[in-house]
Amino acid sequence: DGGITQSPKYLFRKEGQNVTLSCEQNLNHDAMYWYRQDPGQGLRLIYYSQIVNDFQKGDIAEGYSVSREKKESFPLTVTSAQKNPTAFYLCASSMGHRTAFNYGYTFGSGTRLTVV
Amino acid sequence: AQTVTQSQPEMSVQEAETVTLSCTYDTSESDYYLFWYKQPPSRQMILVIRQEAYKQQNATENRFSVNFQKAAKSFSLKISDSQLGDAAMYFCAYRDNNAGNMLTFGGGTRLMVKP
Repeated sequence: DGGITQSPKYLFRKEGQNVTLSCEQNLNHDAMYWYRQDPGQGLRLIYYSQIVNDFQKGDIAEGYSVSREKKESFPLTVTSAQKNPTAFYLCASSMGHRTAFNYGYTFGSGTRLTVV
Repeated sequence: AQTVTQSQPEMSVQEAETVTLSCTYDTSESDYYLFWYKQPPSRQMILVIRQEAYKQQNATENRFSVNFQKAAKSFSLKISDSQLGDAAMYFCAYRDNNAGNMLTFGGGTRLMVKP
C-alpha cells in the first residue's frame, strides 16, 4: 500500500546534538512538507519541497535543515541551534500539479522528539 | 497572506447528538480548496472532507457535512450522530493555486464526546 513512513516514532536528543528525522513516501508525490506541532496547538510549517533538489523555508525554519536528493525522501535535521526542539513533527506529501490540489495532503504518523 | 481562523478552542457534544465546528478564512482568491482534517489521540492526520470553492453544493461524507458560505468566507463542519470515536482535534485548512499548493491550517478545535 502507498503511504508515508516517518521514523523513528519516538526520538530523544541530548543538548547540543543534531538529530535527523526520516520521511519516506511511495506515493510518487512531487511535493513534501515538514510541520511542527506543539501541545494543544496547530501545525507550523518548517520546510517544504516541491521538486527534487529544491526546497524552501517555511515559517519556523531556524534551527532546522532539510535535503531532497530523491523524490521519495525528505529528511529533517534538527540542529543544536534549535533552542526548543521538543515537539511532535509531521511530514506530509502531495501531488504537485494544480489538478490535484483538491486532494490535500497525505500525512505520516509523526515523530515525537524530546530533549533530555 | 491567507489566514484560517477556528474560533472554538474546545467543543463538547453528547454521544448521538450533532455538533458544528466553525472555520473562517481570509482570501482574495476565487478559486481555492477547503479541507477538514481530524487528528485523533494517535496524532495521525486524517482527511475528513473537502470542498472546492467553485462548487456551490456543500460536500457530504456520511455523518460529516459542511456549510460553505463563500461570500462570508465561512466553512463549518457538522458532525451528525456523534460517536465516541469522533473525539479528536479538528483542523480546518485552505489551499489555492497562488499559494504554491501550500495548505494553510487553522489553530484547531478539540472535540470531546460525552457518553
